[in-house]
Amino acid sequence: GAGVSQSPSNKVTEKGKDVELRCDPISGHTALYWYRQSLGQGLEFLIYFQGNSAPDKSGLPSDRFSAERTGGSVSTLTIQRTQQEDSAVYLCASGVDNEQFFGPGTRLTVL
Amino acid sequence: AQTVTQSQPEMSVQEAETVTLSCTYDTSESDYYLFWYKQPPSRQMILVIRQEAYKQQNATENRFSVNFQKAAKSFSLKISDSQLGDAAMYFCALDSNSGYALNFGKGTSLLVTP
Repeated sequence: GAGVSQSPSNKVTEKGKDVELRCDPISGHTALYWYRQSLGQGLEFLIYFQGNSAPDKSGLPSDRFSAERTGGSVSTLTIQRTQQEDSAVYLCASGVDNEQFFGPGTRLTVL
Repeated sequence: AQTVTQSQPEMSVQEAETVTLSCTYDTSESDYYLFWYKQPPSRQMILVIRQEAYKQQNATENRFSVNFQKAAKSFSLKISDSQLGDAAMYFCALDSNSGYALNFGKGTSLLVTP
């Protein structure tokens, strides 16, 4: 079956521009997670969705970051006015039964 | 607060040998889940093995097994008969809020030499 997919695979943008990152979870998974992985670091939690609602937004690093999920499926992570420190790999996971299945990530580079 | 510590930034093992990766954690919960994930250069995080804290028996998956010491809050991963394809970053992760975010360690880079 299809796994978690993310698009784009790579994104290069200029400082100050807005970017949208997309995640397609595994069909039927109600839980969806966004993480950020900076170079040589572990994963940093950003936000968690259960269905379309986000009970935990505690990890979003600033108000430039937002995320939504529609129809209990696709999720979009938006970063406004990107900064160089936003450069990282953004990983999405969908989950069931206390297991999370990860997508291949989007590598974001802010010049 | 939940924390996960991997004290070995890098490890090396020869093909066919056995290697153990260390992980310690801290949580105030009595029931939780522990995981080891593998991340090859492709970036894809792959679940290697999971352990439920209420189970005393150590989890095993083929060549991968864990040594789970609940009292010591230790969760090490043993890879037997190491293969070149095992080379990757390995992350230890803790889920102590059932369905919420995983807390990850900083990872151990495993090199497998012929």
